Amino acid sequence: QQQVKQSPQSLIVQKGGISIINCAYENTAFDYFPWYQQFPGKGPALLIAIRPDVSEKKEGRFTISFNKSAKQFSLHIMDSQPGDSATYFCAASYDKVIFGPGTSLSVIP
Amino acid sequence: DAGVIQSPRHEVTEMGQEVTLRCKPISGHNSLFWYRQTMMRGLELLIYFNNNVPIDDSGMPEDRFSAKMPNASFSTLKIQPSEPRDSAVYFCASSPGQAGGYTFGSGTRLTVV
Repeated sequence: QQQVKQSPQSLIVQKGGISIINCAYENTAFDYFPWYQQFPGKGPALLIAIRPDVSEKKEGRFTISFNKSAKQFSLHIMDSQPGDSATYFCAASYDKVIFGPGTSLSVIP
Repeated sequence: DAGVIQSPRHEVTEMGQEVTLRCKPISGHNSLFWYRQTMMRGLELLIYFNNNVPIDDSGMPEDRFSAKMPNASFSTLKIQPSEPRDSAVYFCASSPGQAGGYTFGSGTRLTVV
């Protein structure tokens, strides 16, 4: 019940396209849903986060969509750029953060 | 702020040796977390502290692993004795609260041969 599922495992998108990563959870006690971005050799960095009382949050090219009834949430990266190539982790927390397995995104020119 | 500082960045040690990883959290952050990252298991939470007190160590894999936080500005993760399967990247993260936006350090890449 502590698990956070994430798909796809890897994703290749052309420059300018939309990258979509999906996540799902079971534990209804989770009350905070962050997304982290990790570049090789670096620690994960907080990208954007949402609480379950909101259905969508947008920051620049990054948007989280949240479906509380389905216990699903997703990250959309609009106008994807080669610099967005990284591993993305969805996560969920109520007292500690549980991470999904990650999605390796490659944005090709 | 210099962020979360971890040392060393890389550690290569022989099986059976003791390994100590160090972390300095961001000043003012009262929660500290130790994670382990491997290809097979992803990011695993090992232990976390709140106000220097260990809250949940259920992720610590074995008694060979121990963690301390003697004060608000320093924490250690010790493995004794180390084994090849402990090879991974170990991350420390800190947060102003227990849940929420963590700031991760750059990690320690541990190789046990």
